[in-house]
Amino acid sequence: QPALTQPRSVSGSPGQSVTISCTGTSSDVGGYNYVSWYQQHPDKAPKLLIYDVTKRPSGVPDRFSGSKSGNTASLTISGLQAEDEADYYCCSYAGRYPVVFGGGTKVTVL
Amino acid sequence: QVQLQESGPGLVKPSETLSLTCTVSGGSISSYYWSWIRQPPGKGLEWIGYIYYSGTTNYNASLESRVTISIDTSKNQFSLELNSVTAADTAVYYCARVQMATLHFDHWGQGALVTVSS
Repeated sequence: QPALTQPRSVSGSPGQSVTISCTGTSSDVGGYNYVSWYQQHPDKAPKLLIYDVTKRPSGVPDRFSGSKSGNTASLTISGLQAEDEADYYCCSYAGRYPVVFGGGTKVTVL
Repeated sequence: QVQLQESGPGLVKPSETLSLTCTVSGGSISSYYWSWIRQPPGKGLEWIGYIYYSGTTNYNASLESRVTISIDTSKNQFSLELNSVTAADTAVYYCARVQMATLHFDHWGQGALVTVSS
């Protein structure tokens, strides 16, 4: 089963913006607008941040935004805060598989 | 607010069967899909499979020969069985609710660490 490709780590200073990419294929990310993103703090369960590429569940700050271009989805954190330091995972519907996750990206706040 | 809680043995011997149960509270298990997802120590997330309240299932192809997910609507619970386990199955196992229209996981349990060791 294929996995989506994410950078292992990204970093930024408080107040800056960081973007995490999630690259798949036309059979998953590129073929459907069903990309979701999850935030996971150490020893905690993942938390839904973004679904349907761009939608935020209630309670998620608007500093978090999602987008997609072709086979690559992106999560942008604007106005980076200390509590944003965590691991982030993308996920996509993948047709016959039908769920694939990315390998995860560690965000470090400098 | 829907809450999910995993329960089951934390230690399983190699070649035996891993069994976990997820209890759903704060809402009915009916009319939703429910999923199991695991995370080996220090690694990423892996989808195991999902089940509809009617009993319809779909599994990760890489695990399909060893996995069974079942549901008991009378108890608001669903369960995972993974047989012939090896050390590679050591992981934190999460149960989650699936929003099936666009396949995302909106509520998660806290996770249960299962170690495979003799």
